[in-house]
Amino acid sequence: GQNIDQPTEMTATEGAIVQINCTYQTSGFNGLFWYQQHAGEAPTFLSYNVLDGLEEKGRFSSFLSRSKGYSYLLLKELQMKDSASYLCAVPGAGNKLTFGGGTRVLVKP
Amino acid sequence: DTEVTQTPKHLVMGMTNKKSLKCEQHMGHRAMYWYKQKAKKPPELMFVYSYEKLSINESVPSRFSPECPNSSLLNLHLHALQPEDSALYLCASSQPRTGSDTQYFGPGTRLTVL
Repeated sequence: GQNIDQPTEMTATEGAIVQINCTYQTSGFNGLFWYQQHAGEAPTFLSYNVLDGLEEKGRFSSFLSRSKGYSYLLLKELQMKDSASYLCAVPGAGNKLTFGGGTRVLVKP
Repeated sequence: DTEVTQTPKHLVMGMTNKKSLKCEQHMGHRAMYWYKQKAKKPPELMFVYSYEKLSINESVPSRFSPECPNSSLLNLHLHALQPEDSALYLCASSQPRTGSDTQYFGPGTRLTVL
């Protein structure tokens, strides 16, 4: 089975940096996804990591350590529009995606 | 183009009604998915279609009936639903090649069962 943990909620100030951690236990590993979801909207794809290390995409970066079963999403230069839920997810057999509970990020002015 | 469309955006139905949710994608994806999402919870997988064949049914009650008429379309037929079925229903699509292809989500249908 799959078990994925991430914090429920984080608060940060506009312009700051926030790191959202995700730990996972899976039978087999096919990579890890991060999605962003604004309230009432669809999840949108942010990143996919399958190899160890840091992948940077503009203000967002994602890190993976397969040996530790650990990933994080780093949001830099926070903007008000970054207030959203951030979901880590791992694919299983049949491309079934299992999501963590999601981390609600609140950006304050 | 990474667009998945869903209709309707909102649906209110009684417990005796029959309705359908529709999903469409034109990305050439051959895997399509239905998820159910309750407030402040992550999406939960309901069904997976791969090459127009049902490949995963996550023990969903029979009052939900999926259909994949062709590679671009996915329907979810609803009948005799319960108030607890009220949720956001999300459709997604991907290539089913490697088991880790990115899934792209539609905007969802907000369903209320009275």
